[in-house]
Amino acid sequence: QVQLQESGPGPVKPSETLSLTCTVSGVSITSYYWGWIRQPPGRGLEWIAYWYYGGSDTDNYNPSLRSRVTISLDTYRNQVSLELSSVTTADTAIYYCVRGAGTYCRGGRCYPDIFDIWGQGTTVVVSS
Amino acid sequence: QSVLTQPPSASGTPGQRVTISCSGSGSNIGTHPVSWYQQLPGTAPKVLISTDNRRPSGVPDRFSGSKSGTSASLAISGLQSEDEADYYCASWDYSLGSWVFGGGTKVTVL
Repeated sequence: QVQLQESGPGPVKPSETLSLTCTVSGVSITSYYWGWIRQPPGRGLEWIAYWYYGGSDTDNYNPSLRSRVTISLDTYRNQVSLELSSVTTADTAIYYCVRGAGTYCRGGRCYPDIFDIWGQGTTVVVSS
Repeated sequence: QSVLTQPPSASGTPGQRVTISCSGSGSNIGTHPVSWYQQLPGTAPKVLISTDNRRPSGVPDRFSGSKSGTSASLAISGLQSEDEADYYCASWDYSLGSWVFGGGTKVTVL
């Protein structure tokens, strides 16, 4: 059974860097896409980024967050990490770790078809 | 404002059929597959529909998806009380270079 468990720092102050880790069990992160999606309080879903180990399109980032986001994979620990720098109160949200599956290709690029497994989410509050 | 447009709410009585629309454009739904997600209160989203109209294993067959041009729909047949949730459509947008989600539709069972 595949499980994703997010862990994070709790409250974060504005201008600091947010660091989250997702520990994956039941499957190796050398397969599938792995990424992050967030949900501000009372609002909808926003894709942040994903990474595919060893693929030609090895990483994809939401352009609106690209300059502040780093996503990385630790294959030894089977973990996916997210760093979001220079946070503001607008970054307050539930952060979900997700697995992307079912690859399809268009125009020479490949994408996951769905985000089929989600972690339970970790709440991050940005406050001074 | 979301790139994919969904009605904010929908409702029905038990047993009824409810349909949720998702309107996009040629750079997303018109070119890329649509998926649908159900988010029960206080829980993480769960995938309901992949590749426009496919149900992953374990999803009841009263959930169905369709797509025509730049719009997609999710239908719930035989509405049940446990279907009260938020529903989101999603697709890749090649103009934005990003996955995009609809704003979500809250389904209420009357």
